Amino acid sequence: QQPVQSPQAVILREGEDAVINCSSSKALYSVHWYRQKHGEAPVFLMILLKGGEQKGHEKISASFNEKKQQSSLYLTASQLSYSGTYFCGTEGADSSYKLIFGSGTRLLVRP
Amino acid sequence: GAVVSQHPSWVICKSGTSVKIECRSLDFQATTMFWYRQFPKQSLMLMATSNEGSKATYEQGVEKDKFLINHASLTLSTLTVTSAHPEDSSFYICSALEGTGNEKLFFGSGTQLSVL
Repeated sequence: QQPVQSPQAVILREGEDAVINCSSSKALYSVHWYRQKHGEAPVFLMILLKGGEQKGHEKISASFNEKKQQSSLYLTASQLSYSGTYFCGTEGADSSYKLIFGSGTRLLVRP
Repeated sequence: GAVVSQHPSWVICKSGTSVKIECRSLDFQATTMFWYRQFPKQSLMLMATSNEGSKATYEQGVEKDKFLINHASLTLSTLTVTSAHPEDSSFYICSALEGTGNEKLFFGSGTQLSVL
């Protein structure tokens, strides 16, 4: 069961904010967020574990609502370098480290 | 962060030939590695879980006889695409789980396979 990401794509001007959502139909142990640029491998952003924690990394933060089986990635004051495709990877409650990736959200930040 | 090396980064082969892709963890031991396939503008689809010293576990719909996985050491897993066909053309990415229980997955740089 592939998690559902929304929106599918978003265009921002530099300095604007964005929220990317990831929703799963099954119980989760953790949610991982990655950013991928064209032709490159995904780059790790952060992990959120069950317990409803929230994390931040510079101007990128995320939350994980275990009960709702949802996670959101928050991009504030976006920079040109934020452009790429964002994927959430969900790990099931069996904690097998096997990630199932969402469909991706394409983000374009323009000057 | 930990480094995962994947080789080759790009390969072109004729239909019917076999291609081997290597995934190495350079500065840590990886008891578990994962192989993903990604078609253009699509998500990463998990193909199989590779465990050191045991048989790989394949996801539903993935042919184990076509995609041979070997995880002979704690730092190396290989994926061999046997009798490749044009529909096997894709971006293949491996990821490695650090053996100490670190929950981060470290990705290789990927291999773009084109089958003519």
